[in-house]
Amino acid sequence: AQSVSQHNHHVILSEAASLELGCNYSYGGTVNLFWYVQYPGQHLQLLLKYFSGDPLVKGIKGFEAEFIKSKFSFNLRKPSVQWSDTAEYFCAVKLIDSSYKLIFGSGTRLLVRP
Amino acid sequence: GAGVSQSPRYKVAKRGQDVALRCDPISGHVSLFWYQQALGQGPEFLTYFQNEAQLDKSGLPSDRFFAERPEGSVSTLKIQRTQQEDSAVYLCASSSNPTGLGEQYFGPGTRLTVT
Repeated sequence: AQSVSQHNHHVILSEAASLELGCNYSYGGTVNLFWYVQYPGQHLQLLLKYFSGDPLVKGIKGFEAEFIKSKFSFNLRKPSVQWSDTAEYFCAVKLIDSSYKLIFGSGTRLLVRP
Repeated sequence: GAGVSQSPRYKVAKRGQDVALRCDPISGHVSLFWYQQALGQGPEFLTYFQNEAQLDKSGLPSDRFFAERPEGSVSTLKIQRTQQEDSAVYLCASSSNPTGLGEQYFGPGTRLTVT
């Protein structure tokens, strides 16, 4: 079955440190890729998305992600994190097939220490 | 504008009770999704509506789960004879894209606890 793997369940960083969160998926066909973020006490919101074109996509709040098709990866990066980036981050994949569902990873909890 | 709203935000049910969870999508959004999020996990797809048509219910875990969207706007997820394993956050999302692609806007969720 298709799946999405997020390698790190918990990440702790100091402010100004660089961030990279891993995401790999298992599906050989065409996909749309997403990163969602859930700040404490808030609902899931879209951080960035990839549909086609330039594999390096930029999202809100200085986040970016790179789609590497050969590695089935869509890692999230930020050069310098802030305390306000403390949240849970979810990678999600939409298979371009007959299904409608988003497949989510299990999430990565990021804690940024001031 | 108003986002996706869900009610109730919290629900405690005794095992065996029936529950109904409501979702109000963003006005005009054609697509509506339900997800189940267990503790420490990512959301898992339950079902998808395009207007009032339920086009995908492959994620519903058992026949105790039933969803409807009779007029193509508000949706209700009903769980009959609740079990402890049904305890989770139930998320609703809507999208303006009629094919199920594109960005989904999520509601705050309903946290269901079955005792």
